[in-house]
Amino acid sequence: EVQLLESGGGLVQPGGSLRLSCAASGFTFSSYAMSWVRRAPGKRLEWVSGISGSGSSTYYADSVKGRFTISRDNSKNTLYLQMNSLRAEDTAVYYCAKTVRGWTTDAFDIWGQGTMVTVSS
Amino acid sequence: QSVLTQPPSASGTPGQRVTISCSGSSSNIGSNAINWYQLLPGTAPKLLIYSNNQRPSGVPDRFSGSKSGTSASLAISGLQSEDEADYYCATWDDSLNGWVFGGGTKLTVL
Repeated sequence: EVQLLESGGGLVQPGGSLRLSCAASGFTFSSYAMSWVRRAPGKRLEWVSGISGSGSSTYYADSVKGRFTISRDNSKNTLYLQMNSLRAEDTAVYYCAKTVRGWTTDAFDIWGQGTMVTVSS
Repeated sequence: QSVLTQPPSASGTPGQRVTISCSGSSSNIGSNAINWYQLLPGTAPKLLIYSNNQRPSGVPDRFSGSKSGTSASLAISGLQSEDEADYYCATWDDSLNGWVFGGGTKLTVL
């Protein structure tokens, strides 16, 4: 069964850092581009960052550029999101998502259950 | 303000056909495939339609998608109570070099 399992969320103070992980199973992880998508309470879905299957190409939303870093370890079948200089507006449920056919601009067919990040003093 | 524009709400009665629109521009819908997601309360998003009109396995054929120019639409026929959810359109934006989502449409089954 194809599965994604996020971890690493929690409560952090403004200006703090957090690293999210997404453990993948049931598919050839290195063959698929992956993304992080978030949803703030009561707000719309917002794409955060994406990475190619090899990890050589990365993409970021303007709202997180320069503060967040996406990476992957294909030997561990794990996707990461390093979040620095966190702000209150980063408070959201963060989902990792797998692409349907592998390329960066493809749709997301498998999503994790999400991990909550709360930025508050 | 979302790059893709959706109506905030839609409604219909059981058995009815409902459509949800999604409007964008030449750099997103006009250049790339549109995808649709369903969000039920407390659950992760579910892919309903990809590549404009393709249904993943397991998605009922009551759900269909279409695209024309810089607009797209999701149609749900034979509306059921379990279809009550939030629906989002999404596509790649060549100018932003990233994904963009619509603002979401809350569907109510009356």
